[in-house]
Amino acid sequence: NAGVTQTPKFQVLKTGQSMTLQCAQDMNHNSMYWYRQDPGMGLRLIYYSASEGTTDKGEVPNGYNVSRLNKREFSLRLESAAPSQTSVYFCASSEAPRLPLNTQYFGPGTRLTVL
Amino acid sequence: AQSVTQPDIHITVSEGASLELRCNYSYGATPYLFWYVQSPGQGLQLLLKYFSGDTLVQGIKGFEAEFKRSQSSFNLRKPSVHWSDAAEYFCAVGGNTGNQFYFGTGTSLTVIP
Repeated sequence: NAGVTQTPKFQVLKTGQSMTLQCAQDMNHNSMYWYRQDPGMGLRLIYYSASEGTTDKGEVPNGYNVSRLNKREFSLRLESAAPSQTSVYFCASSEAPRLPLNTQYFGPGTRLTVL
Repeated sequence: AQSVTQPDIHITVSEGASLELRCNYSYGATPYLFWYVQSPGQGLQLLLKYFSGDTLVQGIKGFEAEFKRSQSSFNLRKPSVHWSDAAEYFCAVGGNTGNQFYFGTGTSLTVIP
């Protein structure tokens, strides 16, 4: 099993450009998550999807949109990229959002630079 | 409010020495606790987790962690560090909804020969 995969691995955008980060999991998990990682701030939740067909905001949702395309795939879209969105983005999945099935498994990350 | 604190931003140890990384949490209910490791340029890998039962939990790569409710701590330990353990370590606490999974800010481990 590949686990959680993310594409692309690296991306450079200009301010104002848009792009979509893709995430897929093959563990038949119900829940999926998008985080951003910034130096000295750990991981912060952007959006999550508790189950197929639902999405909810996390701690830092402004400037982002998400789509839970099906059970396997959860995409993150930046409509108009800003330099403040330069970060490493991680996708994760878990069997469920609730205890005790909420152990999260992570993808390798996407390194995004906005100029 | 729920939170996780990792007091040590950076730790340097000699290869073969013992290691302890500190983690303190604040959570209203019974916490479910995790340690993840992130090697340079990689994603996060689960080292171990505590849900209930024995407060000393064993993980992969020879790591263990001890849950101490009275101290609100979940410290990670390894008796003998290897050069390949150099990485960033994150403590996390998980709750009962999708947005209740909180990470500490991480501890960077350097291993010197």
